[in-house]
Amino acid sequence: DAGVTQTPRHEVAEKGQTIILKCEPVSGHNDLFWYRQTKIQGLELLSYFRSKSLMEDGGAFKDRFKAEMLNSSFSTLKIQPTEPKDSAVYLCASSLRGRQDTQYFGPGTRLLVL
Amino acid sequence: QQQVRQSPQSLTVWEGETAILNCSYEDSTFNYFPWYQQFPGEGPALLISISSVSDKKEDGRFTIFFNKREKKLSLHITDSQPGDSATYFCAGDNNNRIFFGDGTQLVVKP
Repeated sequence: DAGVTQTPRHEVAEKGQTIILKCEPVSGHNDLFWYRQTKIQGLELLSYFRSKSLMEDGGAFKDRFKAEMLNSSFSTLKIQPTEPKDSAVYLCASSLRGRQDTQYFGPGTRLLVL
Repeated sequence: QQQVRQSPQSLTVWEGETAILNCSYEDSTFNYFPWYQQFPGEGPALLISISSVSDKKEDGRFTIFFNKREKKLSLHITDSQPGDSATYFCAGDNNNRIFFGDGTQLVVKP
């Protein structure tokens, strides 16, 4: 089985641009998570979907970050407009329904905002 | 308030030694404690997990010791290998939400 796929692996954006990150979860997984990872803040939850329904939207990330799950096998994370402080690794993970303890992570997208 | 804390932030051991990574938590409703291993340029991967009804879980060279009363757990890596050099994340799951610690960066010197 294929693991979690994320594209692109690297992204460079100018301040103010809109970027869209993509994720394909493990086939058959119902739960999907978006995280931001930085050395200072560690792993921060951005969004959490269960069976395509948004369960948690990450509070502080609401204004410029929007995650969508268009179908059970594809999700996007839009950042609009980007700011230099958004530079980080964005990780997507999926799990079987209710099994948050056993998440499968993608390789991440490394975003640099200039 | 951080739900899951890890120490030390970084740890260096020699090949063959036992590395001990510590974790503590706040939420007494946590019932699963997974540990994830992350290599540079990759996403975290589940390494080993323990349920709150157990006090020990072993998988090869990796062992979790769990003390529910003190809300502490530790990951022991015996006979450490250079290939174990990675960042290790402890997490707590209460069936509603999972919380990750900030990680311990382990370096194993040959």
